[in-house]
Amino acid sequence: EDKVVQSPLSLVVHEGDTVTLNCSYEVTNFRSLLWYKQEKKAPTFLFMLTSSGIEKKSGRLSSILDKKELFSILNITATQTGDSAVYLCATTPSNYKLTFGKGTLLTVNP
Amino acid sequence: AAGVIQSPRHLIKEKRETATLKCYPIPRHDTVYWYQQGPGQDPQFLISFYEKMQSDKGSIPDRFSAQQFSDYHSELNMSSLELGDSALYFCASRSQTASSYEQYFGPGTRLTVT
Repeated sequence: EDKVVQSPLSLVVHEGDTVTLNCSYEVTNFRSLLWYKQEKKAPTFLFMLTSSGIEKKSGRLSSILDKKELFSILNITATQTGDSAVYLCATTPSNYKLTFGKGTLLTVNP
Repeated sequence: AAGVIQSPRHLIKEKRETATLKCYPIPRHDTVYWYQQGPGQDPQFLISFYEKMQSDKGSIPDRFSAQQFSDYHSELNMSSLELGDSALYFCASRSQTASSYEQYFGPGTRLTVT
């Protein structure tokens, strides 16, 4: 059975801090790993990673995949209160359905 | 840009009633996925459709059925509702033809069974 494990489950930081969220996976026929941000609504797509070692970047967010060690990290620099959300990691095997981790609840305090 | 549309956004039903949730994918997306997210839980895959055919099945109860129509919209039919069916139901769409792995989620339908 496919497994996605995220850590930490919860994180509280102050504005301006840098955070690193972790996602490890065990997936048959791995195709890609996706990161989503979920506030009180639908998950919003952040990144899709398919190749090892290539960093994807969008503003203060960046992510990288290590297919040898089977993990990915999501970095957020200079955090803001608006970054407070649950960050979900998901993998797609060959049949493309997403298997999600439990998520990391990030709280950024002013 | 057009997004995934789901209706209704909120639904309150009583036990043993039926419910129908609708999903309209992003234009030119041919694949639809349904997920169920319970309170404080991660989304769980229920079922998916590609070109109007069921492509994969997850943890969908036998009381639920779904289909995709010729205009690519999808409906999730839920019968004999139970209290445990109360959850947020998301639909996501993707373009398999474009070989894209990215799935985009709709706003969800919050189902409350009383």
